[in-house]
Amino acid sequence: QQQVKQSPQSLIVQKGGISIINCAYENTAFDYFPWYQQFPGKGPALLIAIRPDVSEKKEGRFTISFNKSAKQFSLHIMDSQPGDSATYFCAARNQAGTALIFGKGTTLSVSS
Amino acid sequence: DSGVTQTPKHLITATGQRVTLRCSPRSGDLSVYWYQQSLDQGLQFLIQYYNGEERAKGNILERFSAQQFPDLHSELNLSSLELGDSALYFCASSVAEGMGSPLHFGNGTRLTVT
Repeated sequence: QQQVKQSPQSLIVQKGGISIINCAYENTAFDYFPWYQQFPGKGPALLIAIRPDVSEKKEGRFTISFNKSAKQFSLHIMDSQPGDSATYFCAARNQAGTALIFGKGTTLSVSS
Repeated sequence: DSGVTQTPKHLITATGQRVTLRCSPRSGDLSVYWYQQSLDQGLQFLIQYYNGEERAKGNILERFSAQQFPDLHSELNLSSLELGDSALYFCASSVAEGMGSPLHFGNGTRLTVT
């Protein structure tokens, strides 16, 4: 039932570098695309979200890029910091407003 | 702190047993969602309730059941437990349904079946 495919599974980035995580979806009924951040021992927390009528959304160092025709979206973390080391999940929800469907996650490690 | 409370934090039990996981949503949130997180499957949606009514089902096994009570807290019941049921179980809540209502997750219950 994997409707949101996320890559890479793990990522190592130098401090100050750019972290890029990609997701692809199949269901064109999806109309809301959030990213969640999860630290060990904690539940996922909403980081940033986008709707498909917008191609890019930026909040601080975090940017979502959205390509509706390709059915792909990505998270860019600029100036990555050790404190960004966490697992990141992309997700999607359809217009019916039922539950979020998550990707399998990307474990990001930012080395100092 | 998300405001979503899950108890217990850890649970160790034997195969064949039955357990109950409890979730108290954020104050004012009407919708509750249950997710199972395992290393190989990621976050899998199990079931959603809204104001006491079941709204959506995902990959929930027949051995699992849930309910949302009038005070809006929810319980997830897992029975005839198998080793493969060992996982983190998360509860999330939202004010309403739809895109304008982000999900807020609790810190999960770690279930270990031996």
